[in-house]
Amino acid sequence: EPEVTQTPSHQVTQMGQEVILRCVPISNHLYFYWYRQILGQKVEFLVSFYNNEISEKSEIFDDQFSVERPDGSNFTLKIRSTKLEDSAMYFCASSDGLALNNEQFFGPGTRLTVL
Amino acid sequence: AQSVTQLGSHVSVSEGALVLLRCNYSSSVPPYLFWYVQYPNQGLQLLLKYTSAATLVKGINGFEAEFKKSETSFHLTKPSAHMSDAAEYFCAVKAGGYQKVTFGIGTKLQVIP
Repeated sequence: EPEVTQTPSHQVTQMGQEVILRCVPISNHLYFYWYRQILGQKVEFLVSFYNNEISEKSEIFDDQFSVERPDGSNFTLKIRSTKLEDSAMYFCASSDGLALNNEQFFGPGTRLTVL
Repeated sequence: AQSVTQLGSHVSVSEGALVLLRCNYSSSVPPYLFWYVQYPNQGLQLLLKYTSAATLVKGINGFEAEFKKSETSFHLTKPSAHMSDAAEYFCAVKAGGYQKVTFGIGTKLQVIP
């Protein structure tokens, strides 16, 4: 069964450093998403991406965040200068359509720890 | 704006007992509602979804949920809990043409032998 994969599973970084979280969406999907979950809090939407453009983003997704689809398979989330409060589990998701009833398939997550 | 509220961050049931996980939603337009499950160290897996067809929705692993507009609820049930059901369960909503899924805070289900 096709699945979304994410690497690394756990990333530890120093405050102020740049990190890149990687995701491989399901191969025939065209819509990609990033969510995050701070420990003990809700899973929160960050951004959606389609046709090489951001189609929707939350207020959390400020200038320190960026997304990219560098090739035909990867989808990345970059945090330019990490802060302590960026420590969270980051989930990538993909879907094959934008309709409200289209399921978003989630990856296993990358746990980011900022020291 | 859309939101969901999950009542009870932790629920414990005995093996074989009824599982009831509560979710109430808020949406200014007709919502699509989802239940996701997360097993330890794994991603979010869709259990079931309500998309304005039948109000009683059946999902995987014997779970079902009923959409009740008058109560703005979408509670998740399973008649008989199994040890393998121990996980965290998230209620979620999409509405208003937005792509984002809005999640509840999650309910951790413990199944006692």
